[in-house]
Amino acid sequence: KQEVTQIPAALSVPEGENLVLNCSFTDSAIYNLQWFRQDPGKGLTSLLLIQSSQREQTSGRLNASLDKSSGRSTLYIAASQPGDSATYLCAVTHNQAGTALIFGKGTTLSVSS
Amino acid sequence: DAGITQSPRHKVTETGTPVTLRCHQTENHRYMYWYRQDPGHGLRLIHYSYGVKDTDKGEVSDGYSVSRSKTEDFLLTLESATSSQTSVYFCAIKDRNRTYEQYFGPGTRLTVT
Repeated sequence: KQEVTQIPAALSVPEGENLVLNCSFTDSAIYNLQWFRQDPGKGLTSLLLIQSSQREQTSGRLNASLDKSSGRSTLYIAASQPGDSATYLCAVTHNQAGTALIFGKGTTLSVSS
Repeated sequence: DAGITQSPRHKVTETGTPVTLRCHQTENHRYMYWYRQDPGHGLRLIHYSYGVKDTDKGEVSDGYSVSRSKTEDFLLTLESATSSQTSVYFCAIKDRNRTYEQYFGPGTRLTVT
């Protein structure tokens, strides 16, 4: 059974710091990996999707990498801002396009000014 | 924004009553999903649909049923609500035009008293 783990569960950093959020998964037979952001009491916003054949994706200050063989992904946030404070969720789909996401429990990030 | 709406957004109901949550999408996506989000458990799949009248169970389907009579609507029904079904419910679609990236609705907060 696929399990997705995110470490750390919570992270506090000062504004301007570069940071890395970690995601690991137990079964490397994934179709793709998706990073989401969730603000308190709100829905999920898709940040980046990495297909299993890709190594990384970038969007603005965000860069996500994927090492399928080792079962790891990282989300790099450059020059963090207080507005980046949120919970970041990692999720994978299995090796068929129609299957659902399996989520980690998230990393709650707090960026102080 | 993938054109996903959920209704109601908030609901309080009593144990033993039936409850139906609605997910509506405007972009003709084939795949639709219902997840629930609970502290300590993260997001878990309840049911999903891969077309009109085509549905399947997820990880936590006990006590829930679904129906999809039109492409745009996916209904989640709690036949007899229990306190353990107090949760936030999210609907999602999978966009095959964007490498099967999943997008989520705003959520429904359900409280069963």
